Amino acid sequence: EIVLTQSPGTLSLSPGERATLSCRASQSVTSRYLAWYQQKPGQAPRLLIYGASTRATDIPDRFSGSGSGTDFTLTISRLEPEDFAVYYCQQYRSSPRTFGQGTKVEIK
Amino acid sequence: QVQLQESGPGLVKPSETLSLTCTVSGGSISNYYWNWIRQPPGKGLEWIGYIYYSGNTDYNPSLKSRVTITVDTSKNQFSLNLSSVTAADTAVYFCARGSPAWVTRPFDYWGQGRLVTVSS
Repeated sequence: EIVLTQSPGTLSLSPGERATLSCRASQSVTSRYLAWYQQKPGQAPRLLIYGASTRATDIPDRFSGSGSGTDFTLTISRLEPEDFAVYYCQQYRSSPRTFGQGTKVEIK
Repeated sequence: QVQLQESGPGLVKPSETLSLTCTVSGGSISNYYWNWIRQPPGKGLEWIGYIYYSGNTDYNPSLKSRVTITVDTSKNQFSLNLSSVTAADTAVYFCARGSPAWVTRPFDYWGQGRLVTVSS
């Protein structure tokens, strides 16, 4: 099983600032089958990024993903008020599919 | 626009079987993998398993002995059964669409989630 470790656990930032979230895998995520999701309270997760760096449909270009192998990053270039939420990474190449434990981006 | 909707009891007694159904609208269930994911209150996401429209399944080893996922293509539905539940199975259960047959993709469409509480 591929274990995904996200850091930091909580990120306290102000609107307009840049957010950098990390996801580290216990073994290589082949073919960059790494996704990022955003989840707001009481809602289902929303797919942001797949293939480590491809934005999903209708996702603003302030969200970007990068990385390969075992180290991946989600960057939000300028935080908007609606971006404060919990973010999860997920690998979807190996079974079982696994998620990171989440990073909460909160308003400072 | 594809939409998914979970349905089923919100309260299940310990040792009984949790049963949920996901109805897919706005698209066909064919040629896709369909998933169940759960989230205990205040915690992270756990993948339960998937079913391909043809009936092939894969389950999380941590739950495999208690999980069955089935599909009814005539109704555009798939279902989850989780047996011998305990309080640790209390969670919001989500259904989600996974990969199409021709490429590997993550979960792009999700249901709103169904809170299931295990309690006597």
